Amino acid sequence: EAGVAQSPRYKIIEKRQSVAFWCNPISGHATLYWYQQILGQGPKLLIQFQNNGVVDDSQLPKDRFSAERLKGVDSTLKIQPAKLEDSAVYLCASSSTWVAYEQYFGPGTRLTVT
Amino acid sequence: GNSVTQMEGPVTLSEEAFLTINCTYTATGYPSLFWYVQYPGEGLQLLLKATKADDKGSNKGFEATYRKETTSFHLEKGSVQVSDSAVYFCALSASQGAQKLVFGQGTRLTINP
Repeated sequence: EAGVAQSPRYKIIEKRQSVAFWCNPISGHATLYWYQQILGQGPKLLIQFQNNGVVDDSQLPKDRFSAERLKGVDSTLKIQPAKLEDSAVYLCASSSTWVAYEQYFGPGTRLTVT
Repeated sequence: GNSVTQMEGPVTLSEEAFLTINCTYTATGYPSLFWYVQYPGEGLQLLLKATKADDKGSNKGFEATYRKETTSFHLEKGSVQVSDSAVYFCALSASQGAQKLVFGQGTRLTINP
């Protein structure tokens, strides 16, 4: 079974630029998560989708971050405009159930904002 | 709100040493507790879990016991190997409502041969 795929793996941009990350979950997984992991900290949930609907986006900075999951499969997370403090690893995870620990994580995208 | 605190790293040990990584939590109700591991270049993986007080989770020689009286879930292994070098995260999920994961800050473990 293929795992969660993410691209790109690394991205370097200047502040005020835009960036987008892509996630392809495990086939058949209805629930998709985006996490932000700042260096030295644990992952923090940004947004959770159930199929193509948003379940929880309470920690998503909506003035600059947006996410969508068209057709309930792939998802894109966008930052516009980026700030220095957005430098982090962005993790995508998917799950076939509502159970929190049954999430499979992708390798992440490391973003550096200069 | 719910939170998790782990012992600060990095932790460096010799092969076959005994490992303890401390984890304490703050939560309302009866959360489930987890340890995740992140090997270099790989995604987070669930290492073990405990869903109620006094439960012991175990996997790959690692163990952790859910202690409600001390709100702790310390990770232990009797004899570590070089292949255990990774970052370890303690996490919890609330017992009710949306079951999102709340992570600690992670502890980097390096095992020297």
